[in-house]
Amino acid sequence: EAQVTQNPRYLITVTGKKLTVTCSQNMNHEYMSWYRQDPGLGLRQIYYSMNVEVTDKGDVPEGYKVSRKEKRNFPLILESPSPNQTSLYFCASSEQGDTQYFGPGTRLTVL
Amino acid sequence: RKEVEQDPGPFNVPEGATVAFNCTYSNSASQSFFWYRQDCRKEPKLLMSVYSSGNEDGRFTAQLNRASQYISLLIRDSKLSDSATYLCVVNFQGAQKLVFGQGTRLTINP
Repeated sequence: EAQVTQNPRYLITVTGKKLTVTCSQNMNHEYMSWYRQDPGLGLRQIYYSMNVEVTDKGDVPEGYKVSRKEKRNFPLILESPSPNQTSLYFCASSEQGDTQYFGPGTRLTVL
Repeated sequence: RKEVEQDPGPFNVPEGATVAFNCTYSNSASQSFFWYRQDCRKEPKLLMSVYSSGNEDGRFTAQLNRASQYISLLIRDSKLSDSATYLCVVNFQGAQKLVFGQGTRLTINP
């Protein structure tokens, strides 16, 4: 089954404790992206990757890192999480950057 | 001005009604347009792409007006299962990124 998976689905952590949210897709898509969704602000792009070893900043990259060492994986790293990074995070993949397939979301709370 | 703007609603309409949403975008060079549907606490899913000539998929019709820079979504004979948030999405030419509107929340009442 074609899908995008994210882990963990729910995470409660404390300020400053490094964390990684994994994202994996099995559709051989070149384009992958991370978004955060906040009430009243909609979905905002954090980082995107057009292929292996090619990543670029989206609209709200501050406080986040990504890597794309393999085509199928695109982890999101928060080196020192802060409460303003409490949000719902979605990973997405697509063949050419338009029609996106989203993962189920990761609900992150930073205390 | 926001890059993509939608009326957030909420819209509450009776089952069987016809409902329409509009969405405006700021970049006249935008090339690709989409409507996504998002159920509460779930991931967005593609509802339909929007083409210059307009397109229809069952009870759903999407239209694009490039001159006025807006896209629309029409839902006919609405069902309870149409209750969701509808996201307008625009791909800005050369930017390889999608910009999402904040979504319009629709509730269909029995």
